[in-house]
Amino acid sequence: DSGVTQTPKHLITATGQRVTLRCSPRSGDLSVYWYQQSLDQGLQFLIQYYNGEERAKGNILERFSAQQFPDLHSELNLSSLELGDSALYFCASSRTESVVEQFFGPGTRLTVL
Amino acid sequence: AQSVTQLGSHVSVSEGALVLLRCNYSSSVPPYLFWYVQYPNQGLQLLLKYTTGATLVKGINGFEAEFKKSETSFHLTKPSAHMSDAAEYFCAALSSNTGKLIFGQGTTLQVKP
Repeated sequence: DSGVTQTPKHLITATGQRVTLRCSPRSGDLSVYWYQQSLDQGLQFLIQYYNGEERAKGNILERFSAQQFPDLHSELNLSSLELGDSALYFCASSRTESVVEQFFGPGTRLTVL
Repeated sequence: AQSVTQLGSHVSVSEGALVLLRCNYSSSVPPYLFWYVQYPNQGLQLLLKYTTGATLVKGINGFEAEFKKSETSFHLTKPSAHMSDAAEYFCAALSSNTGKLIFGQGTTLQVKP
């Protein structure tokens, strides 16, 4: 158990819908990272927040957004969902801004029908 | 652009045999390098990392990797495979320029009895 929690574990929804994935970092970690893992794209970095502020952006679509709240939990919002958004979404956290030692959560499996 | 290539999407070894998972990176500046393991329905777990210093890095579960700058490689090895090593393994590189973690496509390790 990495100490990073993600909810829900599974999510099934329809095209065009909007969903919110939630992540709670390990106690004391200030950075949160979001990744998408799909069969065709592999594991891709989406976005990083540090202490409430966006720090780095990867291959995140405009339909996707994220935020980190004062209690340091983070939410990833996915809107206008398409079939191709079906994937495993991982959250990771680290103590500092550096990604050198990050710990991954168990992931949320999103299925878009 | 920086990239990470894992040679072989599937590797099969017999229990007790040597495990060798290959990883090459492309970068003009040697990045920090990582190996992660993902067991079914779980998040990624850090096996080992190379930042600076000794080029032979020892990790958990008996794995080790050697950073070879001249070959731009960071291959993962284990002298004797166990059934419990069956999982997917990801090599990753952290670009000091962008601070982003770039993952390889992953290698599925199968261990036969």
